[in-house]
Amino acid sequence: KAGVTQTPRYLIKTRGQQVTLSCSPISGHRSVSWYQQTPGQGLQFLFEYFSETQRNKGNFPGRFSGRQFSNSRSEMNVSTLELGDSALYLCASGGQGSANEKLFFGSGTQLSVL
Amino acid sequence: GQNIDQPTEMTATEGAIVQINCTYQTSGFNGLFWYQQHAGEAPTFLSYNVLDGLEEKGRFSSFLSRSKGYSYLLLKELQMKDSASYLCAVTPLDRDNYGQNFVFGPGTRLSVLP
Repeated sequence: KAGVTQTPRYLIKTRGQQVTLSCSPISGHRSVSWYQQTPGQGLQFLFEYFSETQRNKGNFPGRFSGRQFSNSRSEMNVSTLELGDSALYLCASGGQGSANEKLFFGSGTQLSVL
Repeated sequence: GQNIDQPTEMTATEGAIVQINCTYQTSGFNGLFWYQQHAGEAPTFLSYNVLDGLEEKGRFSSFLSRSKGYSYLLLKELQMKDSASYLCAVTPLDRDNYGQNFVFGPGTRLSVLP
């Protein structure tokens, strides 16, 4: 079974631009969640999607948004990029999306904002 | 609110035993996960505890005390490849929304020396 696939692996953007990251979950998994990882803050929850609906949202500004398609693939978008948005963005595939199911992480997209 | 604490760094010798602690204070609690993350790689699942007690899985064991808000990960017969960050994560219990919004601790970076 293929794992969680994230594209692109690396991105370099400048302040003010917007960016879209893509995630394909494990086949059959319906839940996809997104996390931001930085050296100072660790792994922080952005949002979770289940059956094309945002089910949970973390404490991030509205510049961070996402969506999920009918095939469970997900995208997240960050508009008006700031220097502080530089981070590793991890997507996690979560089976049927219950709280006691483990997450399977992709390798992440390393975003650098200059 | 959610607060999870772990030691920032630990060092141990190959062949030894190391215990990584995790304390948490959350508004609700469903279960606790441990993940391993090698530098530049995705986090991978190690263990899950929902009831009090010890869960053993090969060289790795994880313990949970719900009443004390405390967990530990025990690594035996340490190997060089165990050098990594170890993340504990709590899944809050939300009556309205049984989603997957993991709250991660800051992670403990373990260095195994020869």
